[in-house]
Amino acid sequence: QSALTQPPSASGSPGQSVTISCTGTSSDVGGYKDVAWYQQHPGKAPKLMIYEVTKRPSGVPDRFSGSKSGNTASLTVSGLQAEDEADYYCSSYAGSNNSYVFGTGTKVTVL
Amino acid sequence: QLQLQESGPGLVKPSETLSLTCTVSGGFIGSSSYYWGWIRQPPGKGLEWIGSIYYSGNTYYNPSLKSRVTISVDTSKNHFSLKLSSVTAADTAVYYCARQSYDYFWGSPVLGSFHIWGQGTMVTVSS
Repeated sequence: QSALTQPPSASGSPGQSVTISCTGTSSDVGGYKDVAWYQQHPGKAPKLMIYEVTKRPSGVPDRFSGSKSGNTASLTVSGLQAEDEADYYCSSYAGSNNSYVFGTGTKVTVL
Repeated sequence: QLQLQESGPGLVKPSETLSLTCTVSGGFIGSSSYYWGWIRQPPGKGLEWIGSIYYSGNTYYNPSLKSRVTISVDTSKNHFSLKLSSVTAADTAVYYCARQSYDYFWGSPVLGSFHIWGQGTMVTVSS
C-alpha cells in the first residue's frame, strides 16, 4: 500500500493560517468518511486532532478544522500559535486491501 | 480515563522475534465499540500502521508486514500483543499501541481513526 501524500513542510507567522493537504485515491481518502489528522510533537505520541474529516475530539481548539474534496483532505490551523509547531499526519482506511494508511507527514513551522 | 501502556524488550537480535504487549487500563478491551492497533515509527520517519485486532480476534494486517506479523488479544488480562518475526535493523522503531474506532460499510468493518495512544516504546534491532 502507498502512503498518502502530504507536503513535507508548511509554515506561517503567529496569528496566520496554514493549510496542509493529504492526497490519496478513491480507494482511501476519497472513498471513506473517517479521514483523520494527528499532531505529533518531538518525542511524544501522536494526538488525534480531527476525525471523520471535520470532527474535533474534546479539548482540541476550534482553530483546527478539516475538510475533504474528492481524493484530497485538508487540515487548516487558524490563528497559529507557537505550540502548533509540530509534525502532522493524515490517515485513512484503504479499502482496496482492507488496510489502514498514514500520510507522509508535514512539519509545520511557526515563524 | 482509558490508558494504554506498551511493554516488552527494548533490544532484539536480528532474525529473532519482537514481542510487545499493550495493557489497557481504565476500560475493557472486550468492548464491542473498538479495534485495537499497533503503529510504529522508525527514527526520524513517519508513522506506519502494523495491524489491528477486535476483541473477538478478527485481525487486519499491513500487507507489507503480513507474513511476519501476529496480533493477538487476551480479554482476561485486558491486553493485546504484537509479534514480529525475522526482524532486521529496518524494524528498529518506536512502537505504539492505540484504540481505534470502526464503522461498517456494505456490511463489512471499516477501520477508523486512532483516538487514544500509548506513550510508545523504543525497540532496537541489533546484535
